[in-house]
Amino acid sequence: DQQVKQNSPSLSVQEGRISILNCDYTNSMFDYFLWYKKYPAEGPTFLISISSIKDKNEDGRFTVFLNKSAKHLSLHIVPSQPGDSAVYFCAASGVRGTYKYIFGTGTRLKVLA
Amino acid sequence: GAGVSQSPSNKVTEKGKDVELRCDPISGHTALYWYRQSLGQGLEFLIYFQGNSAPDKSGLPSDRFSAERTGGSVSTLTIQRTQQEDSAVYLCASSLGDRLGQFFGPGTRLTVL
Repeated sequence: DQQVKQNSPSLSVQEGRISILNCDYTNSMFDYFLWYKKYPAEGPTFLISISSIKDKNEDGRFTVFLNKSAKHLSLHIVPSQPGDSAVYFCAASGVRGTYKYIFGTGTRLKVLA
Repeated sequence: GAGVSQSPSNKVTEKGKDVELRCDPISGHTALYWYRQSLGQGLEFLIYFQGNSAPDKSGLPSDRFSAERTGGSVSTLTIQRTQQEDSAVYLCASSLGDRLGQFFGPGTRLTVL
């Protein structure tokens, strides 16, 4: 049972445009969400997080939106740059103190120059 | 070094042999996690350690898998009697604590022939 789903395995976007990466979850107990970026042959790198008490968190070109009623979050990258080309994972955690994160299967973003 | 390191970076072994994978977390990070990523899959949680607490082993797929963390720092993941389905990238991560971003190592690519 995949509790965190990234239904788009890949996405191509033109440089300068907005990239929108989506993530859905099924467990209503999840209350903390993170996005990671992964380049080939490297470990994932933490990008941005959001707590369920918020519906938006912004950090530079990256914004994460959370829609709790729809159990959906999205990562917006604007403007997209070729260096953003990577695999993006969303992850979710529930019940503070559990330390356990459930990851999605990832979306491969390709930003075209 | 400043980041999480893992060794070896690549390991090729024959079915039935035992392997040991090593993780050196960031100094001072109390939480340490092991994940694996099979081809085309997301990150699968295996085990985490937090300080002196008993580790959460709920993600270990079978009793052939075990892990220990010595002195609250270095961790070793051991896979006994390896099978071909164990082939994956094994990722280690560490963090300062709950709800803080995890820092991942580059991973160990395990291939079981």
